[in-house]
Amino acid sequence: DARVTQTPRHKVTEMGQEVTMRCQPILGHNTVFWYRQTMMQGLELLAYFRNRAPLDDSGMPKDRFSAEMPDATLATLKIQPSEPRDSAVYFCASDLGGFGQPQHFGDGTRLSIL
Amino acid sequence: AQTVTQSQPEMSVQEAETVTLSCTYDTSESDYYLFWYKQPPSRQMILVIRQEAYKQQNATENRFSVNFQKAAKSFSLKISDSQLGDAAMYFCAYRSATGNQFYFGTGTSLTVIP
Repeated sequence: DARVTQTPRHKVTEMGQEVTMRCQPILGHNTVFWYRQTMMQGLELLAYFRNRAPLDDSGMPKDRFSAEMPDATLATLKIQPSEPRDSAVYFCASDLGGFGQPQHFGDGTRLSIL
Repeated sequence: AQTVTQSQPEMSVQEAETVTLSCTYDTSESDYYLFWYKQPPSRQMILVIRQEAYKQQNATENRFSVNFQKAAKSFSLKISDSQLGDAAMYFCAYRSATGNQFYFGTGTSLTVIP
């Protein structure tokens, strides 16, 4: 089965460090989403792309977060500088972009900022 | 924006019994899709079932079925013959015909008692 691939699966780093999370969407999927999941806030949409163009990044703290799609096979989410409150599980999801298409999720990156 | 409400933070069911998880949503749209996702402790988000709003027939997938009440804006998930592997967090989600975003509920944690 085709899957969304996220790396790394776990990341522990100190406050102030740059963090980069990567996502390889399913081949042929043209819409990519980044979510953050915490116990307190649940699933929050951070940003999403259609055909590599950012459509909405209103969920991201702009001063420290950035999301890009350098090409159709790679999406990145960067945090610089990282803070302890950024500790969460970050999910990438992709879909075909059509009406009713389900999202396919990666396994997530568990990020811990010390 | 659309909202999705899951009013049951936690549910439990005896193995082999049936359980129903509730979901309501708020929308002014007539065309949309609804989804249930399962998130086991491994944290992978797995699509369980989806329902098109214009279809009156309730979707079924093996032991999983939905009760879709469009007028009441209700979309409950029924799990029959519950198994230990069904223990997970279950998320209800909405996707409109006109937008790209998914709107997720806060989740229901299901425990299956042996």
